[in-house]
Amino acid sequence: EDQVTQSPEALRLQEGESSSLNCSYTVSGLRGLFWYRQDPGKGPEFLFTLYSAGEEKEKERLKATLTKKESFLHITAPKPEDSATYLCAVQRNTGKLIFGQGTTLQVKP
Amino acid sequence: SAVISQKPSRDICQRGTSLTIQCQVDSQVTMMFWYRQQPGQSLTLIATANQGSEATYESGFVIDKFPISRPNLTFSTLTVSNMSPEDSSIYLCSVYSGTGDGYTFGSGTRLTVV
Repeated sequence: EDQVTQSPEALRLQEGESSSLNCSYTVSGLRGLFWYRQDPGKGPEFLFTLYSAGEEKEKERLKATLTKKESFLHITAPKPEDSATYLCAVQRNTGKLIFGQGTTLQVKP
Repeated sequence: SAVISQKPSRDICQRGTSLTIQCQVDSQVTMMFWYRQQPGQSLTLIATANQGSEATYESGFVIDKFPISRPNLTFSTLTVSNMSPEDSSIYLCSVYSGTGDGYTFGSGTRLTVV
């Protein structure tokens, strides 16, 4: 059965304290892996798409990487405005997305 | 990337009634999806809205409870029928543009059933 698991469920960091979020997956016919940011009361906001193992993408303090079984979202020197829930989703060959449970990040000043 | 307007943004409804949520996209898109996000949970796909044909529902979701319309390539509605408190959730519309931005989401409809 296709499955996406994110860890940790919650993460508290001090401002400037770098860390990584994990997304492990088992899916048949993977077309892509997506990272989203979701703020309370809002819809998910697109961050990255990764398509093949070894691929990396960066945006400001965020860097996403992909292997055959998992993806990491690295956060370098986070700021309080990076506080949000980060969602990982895999795209099946049918075009549908399967979401993980998310990691809620809190960055304290 | 596509811009989605979803209405209403929130509503409080009596049990036993129905609510229709609208999703308007600023460009033609082939694939439109409806999701549910229960409190503190992640997103669960309800159905794929197909233009000109019946929606395709995921396991656990049925047309009688969540009828969907897709009259053209820029618009869709989701109705939550005969509501109960368990239907209290955020409902989100999403489209796939096929570009590098992937899937775009609306801002969601926060539904509370009392």
